[in-house]
Amino acid sequence: GAVVSQHPSRVICKSGTSVKIECRSLDFQATTMFWYRQFPKQSLMLMATSNEGSKATYEQGVEKDKFLINHASLTLSTLTVTSAHPEDSSFYICSARDAAGASYEQYFGPGTRLTVT
Amino acid sequence: SQQGEEDPQALSIQEGENATMNCSYKTSINNLQWYRQNSGRGLVHLILIRSNEREKHSGRLRVTLDTSKKSSSLLITASRAADTASYFCATDAGNDYKLSFGAGTTVTVRA
Repeated sequence: GAVVSQHPSRVICKSGTSVKIECRSLDFQATTMFWYRQFPKQSLMLMATSNEGSKATYEQGVEKDKFLINHASLTLSTLTVTSAHPEDSSFYICSARDAAGASYEQYFGPGTRLTVT
Repeated sequence: SQQGEEDPQALSIQEGENATMNCSYKTSINNLQWYRQNSGRGLVHLILIRSNEREKHSGRLRVTLDTSKKSSSLLITASRAADTASYFCATDAGNDYKLSFGAGTTVTVRA
């Protein structure tokens, strides 16, 4: 089946630094990728939709200057948490839509645990 | 935004028993999907049911969809310890492929 990877799987950074998380579709092309965050014992909240070759679309309440998204190729989207603060600590999960598949096909990465100290 | 509500919030059952969880949503949908998440891990797609379908099976999983009540249920039969996980429903309601997730049900299967 289709595989989506995320890197890193865990990251600890100091407050004020920036962290980049990569999401890759390994065996398919993804014109659209989605970024979610998940707090402990809670559900996934969609942050933004990442479209290859164009600007990301952010959900209401998500700061686009805080969470920079770049989708430069059909297999890679990156999420950069800028000037991270402890409240940004969370589990970040991406998903990718197979451009060649049925419209509902979306594959999830394993997630990245971000801890800001 | 989150449009699904799930109940129960948590469920503890004995191995071999069935587990049933429900999901309700607010708007019309194209399809509804169920996912499993083991602690600290990503999501595993379990099953998708389209808006014009009423019931679907996959192995030990049975999903129903009642669009008139805007609700779905997931039944896991003959549960195993490995079924211990959180289960989320997700609805696809627009033409932008976005998924809206329910709050999730945490299932614990006791050996």
